[in-house]
Amino acid sequence: NAGVTQTPKFRILKIGQSMTLQCTQDMNHNYMYWYRQDPGMGLKLIYYSVGAGITDKGEVPNGYNVSRSTTEDFPLRLELAAPSQTSVYFCASYGAGTGGRGNQPQHFGDGTRLSIL
Amino acid sequence: DAKTTQPPSMDCAEGRAANLPCNHSTISGNEYVYWYRQIHSQGPQYIIHGLKNNETNEMASLIITEDRKSSTLILPHATLRDTAVYYCIGWGAGTASKLTFGTGTRLQVTL
Repeated sequence: NAGVTQTPKFRILKIGQSMTLQCTQDMNHNYMYWYRQDPGMGLKLIYYSVGAGITDKGEVPNGYNVSRSTTEDFPLRLELAAPSQTSVYFCASYGAGTGGRGNQPQHFGDGTRLSIL
Repeated sequence: DAKTTQPPSMDCAEGRAANLPCNHSTISGNEYVYWYRQIHSQGPQYIIHGLKNNETNEMASLIITEDRKSSTLILPHATLRDTAVYYCIGWGAGTASKLTFGTGTRLQVTL
């Protein structure tokens, strides 16, 4: 069981370039999330999705786009990379399960370390 | 989401129990108390969660006060590999589904 898989693990971009961070999960979870973590800081939510075809903004969505065409995949796209987007990006997923929402943990991938120069 | 307060850092000798406190006085009745940890900027790792009752799993124990305003994560026999930042989070139905990570407690396990 792979859980949440993120690719690539590392990437260096030039200012203005674009790229897509991939995230896939094999747990059939409806909820998926993208967070970013700047050095020494906590995680901040970029975008999230409650199911295929449904996405919504988090705290820091500017400069990013997402899509959710399947349950398994939730790619994050940077259109015009800026130095402020240098960060570690984490994808997470969550399945509501039984007992009401909140009674199952979010599962995280290992992250993508992105540097923009 | 509940606002949580944790000490910024703690030390623990290897083999001893590590007791990590968390204050969550604003937690609502339907929010669970979750604990995650993060080792060397890896992805956050789920440890344990609970609503009202104390909980135990293979990693840790969670003690929640009767008024639910605070909790303690217990690592019964800390090892060097438990050195990490530990996050206490209130999360449940009625939130925006995101986990709100504060600055956590940096636990240093020493020989």
